[in-house]
Amino acid sequence: GQQLNQSPQSMFIQEGEDVSMNCTSSSIFNTWLWYKQDPGEGPVLLIALYKAGELTSNGRLTAQFGITRKDSFLNISASIPSDVGIYFCAGLIQGAQKLVFGQGTRLTINP
Amino acid sequence: ETGVTQTPRHLVMGMTNKKSLKCEQHLGHNAMYWYKQSAKKPLELMFVYNFKEQTENNSVPSRFSPECPNSSHLFLHLHTLQPEDSALYLCASSKKTSGVVYEQYFGPGTRLTVT
Repeated sequence: GQQLNQSPQSMFIQEGEDVSMNCTSSSIFNTWLWYKQDPGEGPVLLIALYKAGELTSNGRLTAQFGITRKDSFLNISASIPSDVGIYFCAGLIQGAQKLVFGQGTRLTINP
Repeated sequence: ETGVTQTPRHLVMGMTNKKSLKCEQHLGHNAMYWYKQSAKKPLELMFVYNFKEQTENNSVPSRFSPECPNSSHLFLHLHTLQPEDSALYLCASSKKTSGVVYEQYFGPGTRLTVT
């Protein structure tokens, strides 16, 4: 079945640093999504990408849909304490009716 | 606020109890989903409903019984659960038109503990 490899699994950074994480797959996806989950809460959609090569920003967050349709990355610039959480990538294959999720990247920020 | 609400937020139940989880979406979506999230495991899709019809059951044990009375409401009925069923249960909804699935919006989840 489809699988997403998300890396890194965890990151420990200083406040103010930039963050980069990515997801790769052997399958082709039509849509890439990035979610953030705080402890005890559900995932919240951050960015949705619909076209290969698309680069989209949401405040300090930037995500790109890889040109091969098999990967995506998420960058966070100038991290702040509220960026702490688990970030998930997810891919949609049209006709498959379901999201495929990455394993998540746990972000910890030292003040 | 994502437009998807879940109740209760926390639930502790014994293995012989019967309880239900409720999900409601206020986004005008027509597809709804139940996921299970256990510690250190990826999100596991349990059920998919499209226009109130179940379109996917991901080999979920029969002690979990979903119900979707309309496009805005989704229930998960629980009975004779096992301790390993303790997890965060997430509901999600999305727009879905013929063959095209759109991004999913999640509720805050119900933290279930089975004792």
